Amino acid sequence: GAGVSQTPSNKVTEKGKYVELRCDPISGHTALYWYRQSLGQGPEFLIYFQGTGAADDSGLPNDRFFAVRPEGSVSTLKIQRTERGDSAVYLCASSAGGPPYEQYFGPGTRLTVT
Amino acid sequence: AQKITQTQPGMFVQEKEAVTLDCTYDTSDPSYGLFWYKQPSSGEMIFLIYQGSYDQQNATEGRYSLNFQKARKSANLVISASQLGDSAMYFCAMREDTGFQKLVFGTGTRLLVSP
Repeated sequence: GAGVSQTPSNKVTEKGKYVELRCDPISGHTALYWYRQSLGQGPEFLIYFQGTGAADDSGLPNDRFFAVRPEGSVSTLKIQRTERGDSAVYLCASSAGGPPYEQYFGPGTRLTVT
Repeated sequence: AQKITQTQPGMFVQEKEAVTLDCTYDTSDPSYGLFWYKQPSSGEMIFLIYQGSYDQQNATEGRYSLNFQKARKSANLVISASQLGDSAMYFCAMREDTGFQKLVFGTGTRLLVSP
């Protein structure tokens, strides 16, 4: 079956602009996660959705970052007033919501803020 | 707080040899899960293997096995009969079972398999 998909694969934007990154999880997966991966580092957790609600948003770095999942499937990560430090690969993952809760990742969106 | 430590920035192995990638973890939660992911140069994170904290047996998945030593808080990945396609970054990650389901990742180990 289809895996997790993310669009766009690459996004270049100017400092101060607004961007939206989209994630389409595996069909039927109730849990969805966003991570951010900087160069040479492991992914860092941003936010976790169970269904439509954000169950844990403790990883969002500040209030410029926001994510939604209005129908419990596709999710959008929104970044306002982008800064050069936001440049990273943004990874989305989904899981079926039951043990062992393994997460399946999408190919990521590489965001570059110039 | 959860913490994952991978002390090997890079490892080299010859094709068909076995290799062990180290991972130690720190948690105060008695129930947790440990995962290994592979990240090739294409960037996608590929799930390899899982070990639950209460599992009595070490996990195995094909050529991958997890050497779980709970008292030492280590969860090393063993790849047997290395192949050229195994060259990639490998990340160890942990999930605590209380609270939410986020994964905490280590900094990764780059494995290079030579012919």
